[in-house]
Amino acid sequence: QSVLTQPPSVSAAPGQKVTISCSGSSSNIGNNYVSWYQQLPGTAPKLLIYDNNRRPSGIPDRFSGSKSGTSATLDITGLQTGDEADYFCGTWDGTLNTRLFGRGTKLTVL
Amino acid sequence: QVKLQESGPGLVKSSGTLSLTCGVSGDSISSSNWWSWVRQSPGKGLEWLGEISHSGNTNYNPSLESRVAMSVDVSKNKFSLNLSSVTAADTAVYYCARLGLYCGITSCSFFLDYWGRGIQVTVSS
Repeated sequence: QSVLTQPPSVSAAPGQKVTISCSGSSSNIGNNYVSWYQQLPGTAPKLLIYDNNRRPSGIPDRFSGSKSGTSATLDITGLQTGDEADYFCGTWDGTLNTRLFGRGTKLTVL
Repeated sequence: QVKLQESGPGLVKSSGTLSLTCGVSGDSISSSNWWSWVRQSPGKGLEWLGEISHSGNTNYNPSLESRVAMSVDVSKNKFSLNLSSVTAADTAVYYCARLGLYCGITSCSFFLDYWGRGIQVTVSS
């Protein structure tokens, strides 16, 4: 069981909005920045969000991140079929002294 | 554009040592960035193995620290991973990645901003 908890799957229709949560503790999310990664089928993870809510160049503003306390959230609006992927949250854990990832959430665009 | 490429054997014998190299283009290993290894297996998801700076300073995952060693070759712009005493549990796709850095007014955040395509490594008995 991962220290960072994500729902195994979420789904929504094209054009709709979906929210993916990542729950942790004070030793990780509560005191460190969160990043989010998108992994399309058969490819490597790709950075979507860093510093809790910043987007790298080239990432559409349909993707947004936020953090409150010991939880973080990734919102995706205007869903497209090309958004079907696994999404992972990541952060540092100061007690375990390791970088952590959530188990990932599989997004299905119905 | 920064690109990373993993290379090495796709098959390693149990109890042996897994050795992989990551070639970097579009950035210098000697830059201020650190360089990381992450693996992914169906049973364990993404697992951070560790990271290394251009000068050879390292941070390793405590759960693997006794078996992991990383090195850097500045002249070839490459960095490497050695994982010893491997078992079937080490079968995974191994990724190398760059550890990006963003500093605000009071603190800095770290994230993996460029990833290699990954290499499947299978441990056989």
